[in-house]
Amino acid sequence: GAVVSQHPSRVICKSGTSVKIECRSLDFQATTMFWYRQFPKQSLMLMATSNEGSKATYEQGVEKDKFLINHASLTLSTLTVTSAHPEDSSFYICSATDSYQPQHFGDGTRLSIL
Amino acid sequence: KQEVTQIPAALSVPEGENLVLNCSFTDSAIYNLQWFRQDPGKGLTSLLLIQSSQREQTSGRLNASLDKSSGRSTLYIAASQPGDSATYLCALETSGSRLTFGEGTQLTVNP
Repeated sequence: GAVVSQHPSRVICKSGTSVKIECRSLDFQATTMFWYRQFPKQSLMLMATSNEGSKATYEQGVEKDKFLINHASLTLSTLTVTSAHPEDSSFYICSATDSYQPQHFGDGTRLSIL
Repeated sequence: KQEVTQIPAALSVPEGENLVLNCSFTDSAIYNLQWFRQDPGKGLTSLLLIQSSQREQTSGRLNASLDKSSGRSTLYIAASQPGDSATYLCALETSGSRLTFGEGTQLTVNP
């Protein structure tokens, strides 16, 4: 079946560091990728929707200059958390779809900012 | 704005019990409803997807129902096993492939 690979699975870094998370669709062309954030004991909250070759659409309250999303190809989207601070610590999950099938999810990235 | 509520927030049962997880939503204009499983620190595994025109789906010991008119879905797990312990999330797809998630039910099945 379709597989979405997310890397890295865990990041621990100092405050002020920028962190890049990759999301790859391994066996289908992902025309749309989604980025979610999940705080402990809470559900997934959509941060942004990314279509290949165009700018991402951010949800209300999500800072686009803080969370940079690039979807340069049909198999890769990246999320860069710029100048990360402790409040950005969270579990980030991506998903991908080719519009014909349901979203397939990556295994998530645990981001911890010290 | 779609709001999704899951009840109960947590559930602990002995092995072998049949159980029901509930999901309610406010906007019936949906394309489909999915139930996911999430293990601690992991991503999501899709369990069942019910299209808007369907009323239920079954996979093994799992059965999910959908009643759009009342804004409700249930996930029935038969003969629960310790390996079923996880958080179960329901999510509704609306326009633009957007998914709105509930906050989940944390299930513990005790041996």
